[in-house]
Amino acid sequence: QVQLQQWGAGLLKPSETLSLTCAVYGASFSGYYRTWIRQPPGKGLEWIGGISHNGSTNYNASLKSRVTISLDESKNQFSLKLSSVTAADTAVYYCARGLPLEWGQGTPVTVSS
Amino acid sequence: EIVMTQSPATLSVSPGERGTLSCRASQSVGINLAWYQQKAGQAPRLLIYGASTRATYIPARFSGSGSGTEFTLTISSLQSEDSAVYYCQQYNNWPPLTFGGGTKVEIK
Repeated sequence: QVQLQQWGAGLLKPSETLSLTCAVYGASFSGYYRTWIRQPPGKGLEWIGGISHNGSTNYNASLKSRVTISLDESKNQFSLKLSSVTAADTAVYYCARGLPLEWGQGTPVTVSS
Repeated sequence: EIVMTQSPATLSVSPGERGTLSCRASQSVGINLAWYQQKAGQAPRLLIYGASTRATYIPARFSGSGSGTEFTLTISSLQSEDSAVYYCQQYNNWPPLTFGGGTKVEIK
């Protein structure tokens, strides 16, 4: 059974860079699209972006200038970086694999001074 | 960008009753439509993909139907553990991947 485990800092100050990593266990890592999604408190799901098996990336237009998604096939991992965070970036961040999506457990991230 | 619209926003039903959730796409997505269940404090879980195929270990009381722009998730006999928010998502025309705003199912 596929498991996605994610980790990263959960408390950031404004202007810092959010950094999260997601590892895939129990299944083939290659050949799948990998995605990052976030959910602000009490709100719905927002697609941040994703990366294909060949390293091609797609980003939400509203976040594109601040987002970088990368992958490390050798470690079965992919990562998210979001720069210059503000309070508006406070959310639970999820990694996911494939389409339809298989989800990680989520990482709550709070941005506060 | 394909906009996904879900209705109703909240569905309040008694145990054993049928629940019907709707999802509309702003343009055709074929059958590339998934439904996810999100219980409080948990990550979303895949229920239905390909508009009507149940994911592994999903009970038979959950069923999906529709194609093109109109989709339905039916829970045939609601149980207390079905209390959650349900999201639809299209994966036909992307990026971006887009989600509906969710339907909250409350059990009376």
